[in-house]
Amino acid sequence: AQTVTQSQPEMSVQEAETVTLSCTYDTSESDYYLFWYKQPPSRQMILVIRQEAYKQQNATENRFSVNFQKAAKSFSLKISDSQLGDAAMYFCAYRSFGMADEKLTFGTGTRLTIIP
Amino acid sequence: GAVVSQHPSRVICKSGTSVKIECRSLDFQATTMFWYRQFPKQSLMLMATSNEGSKATYEQGVEKDKFLINHASLTLSTLTVTSAHPEDSSFYICSARVGATYNSPLHFGNGTRLTVT
Repeated sequence: AQTVTQSQPEMSVQEAETVTLSCTYDTSESDYYLFWYKQPPSRQMILVIRQEAYKQQNATENRFSVNFQKAAKSFSLKISDSQLGDAAMYFCAYRSFGMADEKLTFGTGTRLTIIP
Repeated sequence: GAVVSQHPSRVICKSGTSVKIECRSLDFQATTMFWYRQFPKQSLMLMATSNEGSKATYEQGVEKDKFLINHASLTLSTLTVTSAHPEDSSFYICSARVGATYNSPLHFGNGTRLTVT
């Protein structure tokens, strides 16, 4: 079974600064997907960014980028130019490649606070 | 964009009663929907995978008779918590796959906060 670990229960960053959230995972599979989801106080789960394991290039979405280290099984999220609206719980998630197992396995989350 | 609607957003019920939560895909057909449970300040745990026209697949440790799932149409899945008890109080979230391919993105509903008194 796959596991996802987020070792930082809480993080804070000054507005406009950069912050990196850590995520490690354990799997015996070679192909899979990794995700970062954001859950603001509204509790809506919002997809931030997605990475396919077979792609060597790190995914980027505007101010959000990842550092995917497949050998180390590490998948960190970097948020640049932090904004007040970035304050939320951030969950790292793993999904197997293929139809057989579509479920998402989530980490325990990191609560990000933005300091004005 | 694709929207998943969940209803109700909040529900309070008495111990021993049953509660039904609906998850609808508003502008797309969803052959597969997923039901998650989130305890306070904790992560989301998958409860079951709902498949249109067939029985749901439950995760280990989830009581099938306790959490009844029905996926009778391509746009609606329901989760019924039967004979609810205070320990069933939690936040329940559904998600649906947009598109027919397995790597299609998942969209989440806004969740339902269930409080059993």
